[in-house]
Amino acid sequence: RKEVEQDPGPFNVPEGATVAFNCTYSNSASQSFFWYRQDCRKEPKLLMSVYSSGNEDGRFTAQLNRASQYISLLIRDSKLSDSATYLCVVNRRAYNTDKLIFGTGTRLQVFP
Amino acid sequence: NAGVTQTPKFQVLKTGQSMTLQCAQDMNHNSMYWYRQDPGMGLRLIYYSASEGTTDKGEVPNGYNVSRLNKREFSLRLESAAPSQTSVYFCASSGTLYTGELFFGEGSRLTVL
Repeated sequence: RKEVEQDPGPFNVPEGATVAFNCTYSNSASQSFFWYRQDCRKEPKLLMSVYSSGNEDGRFTAQLNRASQYISLLIRDSKLSDSATYLCVVNRRAYNTDKLIFGTGTRLQVFP
Repeated sequence: NAGVTQTPKFQVLKTGQSMTLQCAQDMNHNSMYWYRQDPGMGLRLIYYSASEGTTDKGEVPNGYNVSRLNKREFSLRLESAAPSQTSVYFCASSGTLYTGELFFGEGSRLTVL
């Protein structure tokens, strides 16, 4: 079983729709959590951190459920420019070393 | 702003050939990383360097070597390329992983025939 699992999609949604992605992680020692965005044939870039209390950044809302070990990303009012792959990332700390574990990503396609 | 620069962007090799991927960052980061990305596998860490003068194996180090030449530069070498090393390679750097922010280069697409 992969340490970080995501539905690969694709999620095909019309402009203006609300879409949510979930991600589960298996290691309860995971300390911090992030969402990255990767455009087609480009490098990944940090989208947002995920805080225990949940957090928003404009149209994007991230939530963490430690008890169930899952993270979610909600995108409201989807734009064509949101089309990308969204990577769930977990920071696992061991022996004073941080290690980022990447999920395989969920592909989002927003259509007109 | 250059950020993380890696070269070459594309390379085709024959099985058994060797090559070096170069990476440089101008953000004064201590830590640098090499990842490979394959369909359905996600990003997997090959090697990393927590600081100048140190290197450590990641998840998939076999068939690769690295050199942290100085604080700015971190190279990845394939001594004898194999078709299984066909992949997209990303170099990255960070000040601290606690914030979760890795800065990636644009990637190097390597095909081994």
